[in-house]
Amino acid sequence: GQNIDQPTEMTATEGAIVQINCTYQTSGFNGLFWYQQHAGEAPTFLSYNVLDGLEEKGRFSSFLSRSKGYSYLLLKELQMKDSASYLCAGIDSNYQLIWGAGTKLIIKP
Amino acid sequence: EAQVTQNPRYLITVTGKKLTVTCSQNMNHEYMSWYRQDPGLGLRQIYYSMNVEVTDKGDVPEGYKVSRKEKRNFPLILESPSPNQTSLYFCASSCETSGTKGYNEQFFGPGTRLTVL
Repeated sequence: GQNIDQPTEMTATEGAIVQINCTYQTSGFNGLFWYQQHAGEAPTFLSYNVLDGLEEKGRFSSFLSRSKGYSYLLLKELQMKDSASYLCAGIDSNYQLIWGAGTKLIIKP
Repeated sequence: EAQVTQNPRYLITVTGKKLTVTCSQNMNHEYMSWYRQDPGLGLRQIYYSMNVEVTDKGDVPEGYKVSRKEKRNFPLILESPSPNQTSLYFCASSCETSGTKGYNEQFFGPGTRLTVL
C-alpha cells in the first residue's frame, strides 16, 4: 500500500536547528510537498521537491532522495512562531496526493 | 486578495439533517478539492474536481456529495450526516497544468469544524 511516515511530535529550542524526516512508499513518484499548519488553521505551502537534492528558501530547506524514498525539512534559527505541524505529502503515479499525519513541532524558549 | 473561503466556519448539527458547506475561490483555479482532517490521520481527500462539471471520488467519499457548476464554487453536501462525519473540513484549490491532479501548490480555505450529534 501507499504510505507516508513522519514522526508524530518533535521538540526543539528557540534559535536551534531541527530536521523533520519523512519517508514515503508510493506507487510511482511525482514529487513531494511540505506544508505548515498552525493549530486550528489551514495548511500553507512550504516547498515542493521532485529532483534529488536540497532546495533552500530562507530559514527553511527541503531535501529529497528518490532512491531512498526519503525527504526532510530543515528549519534553522528556530522562532517561537515556527511551532506548528508540518505535513509531508507525496504525489503518486496517478498524481494523487498521499498525506502523512503530520509532525507537531514544539519550540521551547 | 487571492483566497479560498468556506462557510460556515463552525457547525453543530444533528444526525440526518442535510447540510451544505460552501467553498469559493477567486483565483480562477481549475482544480478544487475537499479534505477532512482527523487527529492522527492526516488529511484525507473526499472529492476533487478537475474543472467545471468534472468531479471524482477521493479516498473517503462515502456519505458526501459535491457539485461543480461554476469554476469558483465547489460545495460539499452531507445528505444525512452521521456522528462519524464529525471532523475538520478543508477546501483547497490549485491551478492545473498538463492535466495533472493537484500537482501544483494547493491553497486551502480556513476550515469548517463540523460536529454531528
